[in-house]
Amino acid sequence: KAGVTQTPRYLIKTRGQQVTLSCSPISGHRSVSWYQQTPGQGLQFLFEYFSETQRNKGNFPGRFSGRQFSNSRSEMNVSTLELGDSALYLCASSTRGPPGYEQYFGPGTRLTVT
Amino acid sequence: GENVEQHPSTLSVQEGDSAVIKCTYSDSASNYFPWYKQELGKRPQLIIDIRSNVGEKKDQRIAVTLNKTAKHFSLHITETQPEDSAVYFCAAVGSTLGRLYFGRGTQLTVWP
Repeated sequence: KAGVTQTPRYLIKTRGQQVTLSCSPISGHRSVSWYQQTPGQGLQFLFEYFSETQRNKGNFPGRFSGRQFSNSRSEMNVSTLELGDSALYLCASSTRGPPGYEQYFGPGTRLTVT
Repeated sequence: GENVEQHPSTLSVQEGDSAVIKCTYSDSASNYFPWYKQELGKRPQLIIDIRSNVGEKKDQRIAVTLNKTAKHFSLHITETQPEDSAVYFCAAVGSTLGRLYFGRGTQLTVWP
């Protein structure tokens, strides 16, 4: 099976702009979770989508949003970018049912905000 | 919510030695504990996991142990090799399915 893919791999944006990141899960996986990775904060959970519904949400401001499509592909959007949003954004897919708690990560999108 | 603590933050060993990384968790409802390896510039890769109904699991040179009573679990790597050098993350999944709570990571360096 093909792994989790993310596009784009790299992005440079200016403060105040908005950005959309895309994630395609492993075929058959219906759950997509998003994480922000920074050197200072480690891996922080953003949100999880399952069958087009947001099931869980982390402690991020409303500028961070997401959605999931009927084919399980997911997008996340960050509006009004701030310098602190510079990070590696990772998505992970899972079957989300026992024993399928296993989450498999994509390569990430490296976002730089200047 | 769950809180996962991981120690040590850095670990240096000689090739061939063993390495142990320890994690504790706070939520007694947590029942799945994966370990991820992340090499520089690459994605986190699931290397081994354990469920709460099992006390130990092995896969070649790596093993994970779980003590539910004490709420801690550990990763053991034997006969370390330079290619084991990476950041290792422990995580826990509890009542909130689909959400991994990560430890802060351990930078493992294996010297030849």
